[in-house]
Amino acid sequence: GQQVMQIPQYQHVQEGEDFTTYCNSSTTLSNIQWYKQRPGGHPVFLIQLVKSGEVKKQKRLTFQFGEAKKNSSLHITATQTTDVGTYFCAGPYNTDKLIFGTGTRLQVFP
Amino acid sequence: DAGVTQSPTHLIKTRGQHVTLRCSPISGHKSVSWYQQVLGQGPQFIFQYYEKEERGRGNFPDRFSARQFPNYSSELNVNALLLGDSALYLCASSLRPPTGMEQPQHFGDGTRLSIL
Repeated sequence: GQQVMQIPQYQHVQEGEDFTTYCNSSTTLSNIQWYKQRPGGHPVFLIQLVKSGEVKKQKRLTFQFGEAKKNSSLHITATQTTDVGTYFCAGPYNTDKLIFGTGTRLQVFP
Repeated sequence: DAGVTQSPTHLIKTRGQHVTLRCSPISGHKSVSWYQQVLGQGPQFIFQYYEKEERGRGNFPDRFSARQFPNYSSELNVNALLLGDSALYLCASSLRPPTGMEQPQHFGDGTRLSIL
């Protein structure tokens, strides 16, 4: 079946350090979506990437979609305590299913 | 505008019972999807409904069913509850183009279901 894996599973960083999570799909995706879930909260949509090789930035967050449209990454520059949470990538399969990745939990120490 | 609303927020049931969870989408959103999120894992897709019809189904047993009403609200029903059904059940709404699940999902706060 369709699988979306993310690494690492956990990441602990000191405030101000950079952070990167990687997302890999078993099949080619039409687009990749990224969500953030704070502890005790629900997933919140961050961004969607559609084009092969696309790079998008949101302030300190940089998102990239691979050339083969099977992998993606999220990079956070100079992490802050407000970045704490679990980051999920998600991709549509067969147009009618959205499959979430395994997630990367980020902890930031002040 | 109100976001996605779900009820109840918490629910405790025993094995073998039945449960109904409810979801109201964002105004103007015609697609509703349901997800199960077990602690420490990512959301698992259960169903997608659009215009009152099931348009997508995940790998869940027939004990799970859902429906969508003319006002686009939705219910998720789970029969013969098992201990393993304990999870956060999330509802999400989106604008659904003809091509399917390619619009961002807007999630509600979820219903936390505990099975004793």
